[in-house]
Amino acid sequence: DIQLTQSPSFLSASVGDRVTITCRASQGISSYLAWYQQKPGKAPKLLIYAASTLQSGVPSRFSGSGSGTEFTLTISSLQPEDFATYYCQQLNSYPQTFGQGTKVEIK
Amino acid sequence: EVQLVESGGGLVKPGGSLRLSCAASGFTFSSYSMNWVRQAPGKGLEWVSSISSSSSYIYYADSVKGRFTISRDNAKNSLYLQMNSLRAEDTAVYYCARSWNDFYGMDVWGQGTTVTVSS
Repeated sequence: DIQLTQSPSFLSASVGDRVTITCRASQGISSYLAWYQQKPGKAPKLLIYAASTLQSGVPSRFSGSGSGTEFTLTISSLQPEDFATYYCQQLNSYPQTFGQGTKVEIK
Repeated sequence: EVQLVESGGGLVKPGGSLRLSCAASGFTFSSYSMNWVRQAPGKGLEWVSSISSSSSYIYYADSVKGRFTISRDNAKNSLYLQMNSLRAEDTAVYYCARSWNDFYGMDVWGQGTTVTVSS
């Protein structure tokens, strides 16, 4: 099975900060990686697919990059509504797997 | 409006069974692969199972293989998860989710239904 490791697991940041979350795969997954945002008590929301393509309706301050085994999610200027937990997911092969999550909290 | 609505969760004793349903509306259900994803209390997301649009391809996480069965009824726009031999570690919120492309992620999610396995 492909393992995904996110770093950091917890991040404290201020409104306006640039934030970067990393997701590393235990083996190459091409660009078959998605990023989700989840707020407490809510279902996850797809932000980015194919490693770098912004899902329709997602603000342009979100961006993704990477291929193979290393990927990043960047929020260029953190907004109050962005405080949430972020997950990466690999869709290269079954079983699909998620990273353990990165919680972004207000500093 | 594109929507997924789960139902069927509840409290069940270890070893018991439960059947979850997911009703789809607002899109052509038969054109999409569908998934179940769960989240244990205070934990991260765990992929559970996927089924292709025509039910030709079905996949399970090792943690549920042999105990859970995914199915769908395209005529009823519904997805199901039959859960047998339930364990305490199956306690979670179960989400159904649509794959708009099998390699691109899950773009529509339900609100989730809670399964609690406890004596």
